[in-house]
Amino acid sequence: QQKVQQSPESLTVSEGAMASLNCTFSDGTSNNFRWYRQHSAKGLEVLVSIFSDGEKEEGRFTAHLNRANLHVSLHIREPQPSDSAVYLCAVMSNYNVLYFGSGTKLTVEP
Amino acid sequence: EAGVTQSPRYAVLQEGQAVSFWCDPISGHDTLYWYQQPRDQGPQLLVYFRDEAVIDNSQLPSDRFSAVRPKGTNSTLKIQSAKQGDTATYLCASSFYPPGENTEVFFGKGTRLTVV
Repeated sequence: QQKVQQSPESLTVSEGAMASLNCTFSDGTSNNFRWYRQHSAKGLEVLVSIFSDGEKEEGRFTAHLNRANLHVSLHIREPQPSDSAVYLCAVMSNYNVLYFGSGTKLTVEP
Repeated sequence: EAGVTQSPRYAVLQEGQAVSFWCDPISGHDTLYWYQQPRDQGPQLLVYFRDEAVIDNSQLPSDRFSAVRPKGTNSTLKIQSAKQGDTATYLCASSFYPPGENTEVFFGKGTRLTVV
């Protein structure tokens, strides 16, 4: 079973500055990684899905995967206060089962 | 397209009471998942079904928890004799089988349970 850890637990950035979130996982054989955003009153929103080593960009969100280092990161370009939320890293396994980290709480200050 | 629907959205119980959560997945999705998300933690898988069959319920916390999906569509998660440690948000999700890179998992908005 995948063990997924995220860092930092919380992050505060100024509007427009780059935000960088990190995630490590225990089993490097997986090839399906996702970043989700969770607002307090909303459901989970998938931001980026990445399946091979390297970089995947979706709008202002860029994921970097390095399976040899068991590491996937998320970079948010020009974050806005509306991006304040909990960001969850997830690794997909058999039957599309998702193993989540504990989340990073991002606060974007105006 | 309607999303994953869960009810109720909120529940407050006293210890020892029972509660049931209901989930209506996206039409046609054959795989359904229940996750538990304690406060300040990520979602943790409880159980999942393909059609009406339980694929894995090994992560259900105890025999106080049960889940069914009798016709392979809607599902019910039940907690008998709730405890304060059951306080969490319960998320339902659905997807197609077989899995693949482009297969998405869709989540409902969850049921927030507080046990006092």
